[in-house]
Amino acid sequence: EAGVTQFPSHSVIEKGQTVTLRCDPISGHDNLYWYRRVMGKEIKFLLHFVKESKQDESGMPNNRFLAERTGGTYSTLKVQPAELEDSGVYFCASSPLLGPGWDTQYFGPGTRLTVL
Amino acid sequence: ELKVEQNPLFLSMQEGKNYTIYCNYSTTSDRLYWYRQDPGKSLESLFVLLSNGAVKQEGRLMASLDTKARLSTLHITAAVHDLSATYFCAVHMNYGGATNKLIFGTGTLLAVQP
Repeated sequence: EAGVTQFPSHSVIEKGQTVTLRCDPISGHDNLYWYRRVMGKEIKFLLHFVKESKQDESGMPNNRFLAERTGGTYSTLKVQPAELEDSGVYFCASSPLLGPGWDTQYFGPGTRLTVL
Repeated sequence: ELKVEQNPLFLSMQEGKNYTIYCNYSTTSDRLYWYRQDPGKSLESLFVLLSNGAVKQEGRLMASLDTKARLSTLHITAAVHDLSATYFCAVHMNYGGATNKLIFGTGTLLAVQP
């Protein structure tokens, strides 16, 4: 079974540009989460989708960040316009609603974003 | 707001030695996780601890949970080089089903020296 995949693995952009990160969850996982780790800090929650609906977006830092999950499959996280403080590693995780593994979030390898 | 404190931040161990990583959290929770991350890789789930007194072991790693003290430990027995990685504890937040997020500790970078 394929794990959570994220694209791109690295992105380097200039301040003011737009970047879109993509996450493909494990097939059949209705829960999808975004987290990020900025340099030297903890991994912090951004938001949680259940299927295509935003269940909790309390961790989104500001309105420059837009997450979507059309169709309840893959998700995108767009940052527009990017600022220097947005640099960090963005992780996606998924979990099933029910059944084996329901109580574990399975993480992808992350996208390392560098804003210059 | 739930806070999670993990220590130490960095741990340099010799092969064959034992050590413990600590994870304290500030409010009640129903689940605590330990994850391992190798450089550039995904966070790999090691243990899910659900109840007070829970103890789980996998190879040279053993995790325990004391919900009264709000403390979890990850004990490493007879460390080997392959255990070198960053270890995170994470506490589950679920307020009546309204959220399902994890609050992470800072991570412990473990380096096992020959």
